[in-house]
Amino acid sequence: DTAVSQTPKYLVTQMGNDKSIKCEQNLGHDTMYWYKQDSKKFLKIMFSYNNKELIINETVPNRFSPKSPDKAHLNLHINSLELGDSAVYFCASSLLDEQYFGPGTRLTVT
Amino acid sequence: KQEVTQIPAALSVPEGENLVLNCSFTDSAIYNLQWFRQDPGKGLTSLLLIQSSQREQTSGRLNASLDKSSGRSTLYIAASQPGDSATYLCAVGETSGSRLTFGEGTQLTVNP
Repeated sequence: DTAVSQTPKYLVTQMGNDKSIKCEQNLGHDTMYWYKQDSKKFLKIMFSYNNKELIINETVPNRFSPKSPDKAHLNLHINSLELGDSAVYFCASSLLDEQYFGPGTRLTVT
Repeated sequence: KQEVTQIPAALSVPEGENLVLNCSFTDSAIYNLQWFRQDPGKGLTSLLLIQSSQREQTSGRLNASLDKSSGRSTLYIAASQPGDSATYLCAVGETSGSRLTFGEGTQLTVNP
């Protein structure tokens, strides 16, 4: 009965690799988001999709590419990983206003 | 550009104490404000959502107030318990279904 789920929970990889993080919500929400929490615990929006359409695209490197195959899923693909990409990535969803967050994916780039 | 500030950054209190966490935002044209709790290594749990037209919301021992014109919100926790120990995050939404802009959080420790 998990509301917003993410896989994997932990991801350790080397610089230059390409990796994906998956997110799924079973709440029937229309809008999904990706946030990044840096080492100082500061959370910042990256992307937002509404009914599979991109509506928010913050100033993030174009190595980051979100993909929404349907409104219950929002995946994040990262090319050519860099050390500075190490962070916790949170997926969230909302129907109207209240946002519900997933457990996070801790990405470590070595 | 909206900026959200939370004071204090850390707070340690004895069990049973009532406490107030503060949140301020620079642009008063917000749509809503949401308080979250984050436990170490965990995701965010939504505590309370206040719409811009509301003054406060209550859930159990938690009460959140909103003064939109002055750009402030407070989270009041009554009769604190060790299980309340976590980081509390304040976030403001610009429109319905839009991004949330987060503060840096207040790390709360309630000592038994």
